[in-house]
Amino acid sequence: DTAVSQTPKYLVTQMGNDKSIKCEQNLGHDTMYWYKQDSKKFLKIMFSYNNKELIINETVPNRFSPKSPDKAHLNLHINSLELGDSAVYFCASSQDGGGHGYTFGSGTRLTVV
Amino acid sequence: AQSVSQHNHHVILSEAASLELGCNYSYGGTVNLFWYVQYPGQHLQLLLKYFSGDPLVKGIKGFEAEFIKSKFSFNLRKPSVQWSDTAEYFCAVNGGSNYKLTFGKGTLLTVNP
Repeated sequence: DTAVSQTPKYLVTQMGNDKSIKCEQNLGHDTMYWYKQDSKKFLKIMFSYNNKELIINETVPNRFSPKSPDKAHLNLHINSLELGDSAVYFCASSQDGGGHGYTFGSGTRLTVV
Repeated sequence: AQSVSQHNHHVILSEAASLELGCNYSYGGTVNLFWYVQYPGQHLQLLLKYFSGDPLVKGIKGFEAEFIKSKFSFNLRKPSVQWSDTAEYFCAVNGGSNYKLTFGKGTLLTVNP
């Protein structure tokens, strides 16, 4: 069983489109995250949710809207996609504030053309 | 704010050479420290972590790291690298279980056979 699963694995879309990435974890963790990895491999936190409540929003454009229907799911919806949104997006989960480690999903490679 | 600095952008070694990757962090309180590895095209995998106790931490695949509080450092070591260790290595800090894992910019390790 995959602990943190993301879909889709690859996503190619045109500028201006709206797309969603889904994430689910079966670890029983209460906190979930979205990270963005750019072309230089730099990993930056975008959002964190604890028990469905937004804890961290790292000055991400409003075009990015996370949604957490329950503590096992954290989806990412992106409106009006831009070329600069091309990156690998990683979902992760942890128990509490992350002091005991994070488990990452396998990533979604988004390419905007 | 917490931050992480990795000194080496790209390290090239021959098989059987010893490895040390530098990592320094900045945070004013209790920290949890991690090293993650990302093999080409794959997701992040936890190598080892430090929360408290013995500052010398042993991880998977023969890696270890030493937490030196006075130097704000958490360097990663391996006595003898293998070709299969070729990957990107990320140091990360979580300050006081604050729902945020901050990564360094990563070090690409290339091991030549």
